[in-house]
Amino acid sequence: EIVLTQSPGTLSLSPGGRATLSCRASQSVSRNYLAWYQQKPGQAPRLLIHDASSRATGIPDRFSGSGSGTDFTLTISRLEPEDFAVYYCQQYAGSPPWPFGQGTKVEIK
Amino acid sequence: QVQLVQSGAEVKKPGASVKVSCKASGYSFTSFDINWVRQATGQGLELMGWVNPDTGDVGYTRKFQGRVTISRDTSISTAYMELSSLRSEDTAIYYCARAGRPFDPWGQGTLVSVSS
Repeated sequence: EIVLTQSPGTLSLSPGGRATLSCRASQSVSRNYLAWYQQKPGQAPRLLIHDASSRATGIPDRFSGSGSGTDFTLTISRLEPEDFAVYYCQQYAGSPPWPFGQGTKVEIK
Repeated sequence: QVQLVQSGAEVKKPGASVKVSCKASGYSFTSFDINWVRQATGQGLELMGWVNPDTGDVGYTRKFQGRVTISRDTSISTAYMELSSLRSEDTAIYYCARAGRPFDPWGQGTLVSVSS
């Protein structure tokens, strides 16, 4: 089973800043089947990025995903107030289970 | 639109069981797996298991094997997650999610509180 490690645990930034979140897999993720989710307090997670770099429907273009193999990155180019949340990565290659990373919290500095 | 609607909050005593439902609409229920994910307060997302609504095949993660039962009723497009022998550590929000590679959409979540 692939283990995903996210870093940093918490990112303290100002609105308008640039956020760079990392997700590292214990082995290569085939077909780059890697997703990113956003979760705000009191809400269910929401899909942001799938297949490592494809934005889900309705996701603003300030969110971008990149990477391949074992190293993946979520970038938020200009933080809006509504972007302060927790972000999770997940790999979904092969058969389930498809576990999540432990999450990165993006907080207001 | 594609939607998953879960049953309401539950309060249970230690040792009891809880069964949470997840009703799908807006798509063919048998075309996508349904996964169940747990989130304790302030914690991350923990995968519990999944069901293939078409075949009824289920799978459970190691941590929950033996204590969780996932099922479905195709006649009403609903998946179920039952957790037994509840303890205080099971207090959490339980989510269902459609797994079309990846998980999208998610249900709104069901809070299960375990307290004597």
